[in-house]
Amino acid sequence: EVQLVESGGGLVQPGGSLRLSCTTSGFTFSTYDMNWVRQAPGRGLEWLSFITKSSNTIYYADSIKGRFTTSRDNARNSLYLQMNSLRAEDTAAYYCVRDRAGGAFDYWGQGTLVTVSS
Amino acid sequence: DIQMTQSPSSLSASVGDRVTITCRASQGFNNYLAWYQQKPGKVPNLLIYSASTLQSGVPSRFSGSGSGTDFTLTISSLQPEDVGTYYCQKYYEAPKTFGQGTKVEIK
Repeated sequence: EVQLVESGGGLVQPGGSLRLSCTTSGFTFSTYDMNWVRQAPGRGLEWLSFITKSSNTIYYADSIKGRFTTSRDNARNSLYLQMNSLRAEDTAAYYCVRDRAGGAFDYWGQGTLVTVSS
Repeated sequence: DIQMTQSPSSLSASVGDRVTITCRASQGFNNYLAWYQQKPGKVPNLLIYSASTLQSGVPSRFSGSGSGTDFTLTISSLQPEDVGTYYCQKYYEAPKTFGQGTKVEIK
């Protein structure tokens, strides 16, 4: 069974940092591209970042470019999102999402909630 | 960047009704278009990819069509378990933009 489990969310002050992790199982992590998607409370889905299998290509949404960094460790079957300079508008549930062969998002984690507030 | 606009933003229909949701892109692209369903309190679920290919396990009452800039998700006979919000997404190139969502309710 494919599983993606995010962790690392919590309450942080504006300007602070957090590192999200996504631990995966049930599939060969190193053969899949991955993404981060977030959803602010009561709002729609926002794609944030894409990373290829070997980490040689990484894309970011303009809203997080220069502040967030995506990485992965294929030996640990894990995906990461380092979030710096956090703002109130970054408050959201953050999802780790698998990119099916061909590119649509076929498996989603349950999400981890990030709250940016003083 | 290509923007994705869904219409309507919300709809209310009766059980058994045919429901259509439209997704329009600000410029044409290949058919790497997906539809997702998000039930209340749940994570999104992939329904359709490549504009018209049904994901495994998705009921056949869901179908997708379209090309270029205009895409459609159709529910042929609305069921109570279809309540939720539906999103389109262009996924071939970054940014992998989602539409703003269409909330579907039962009348």
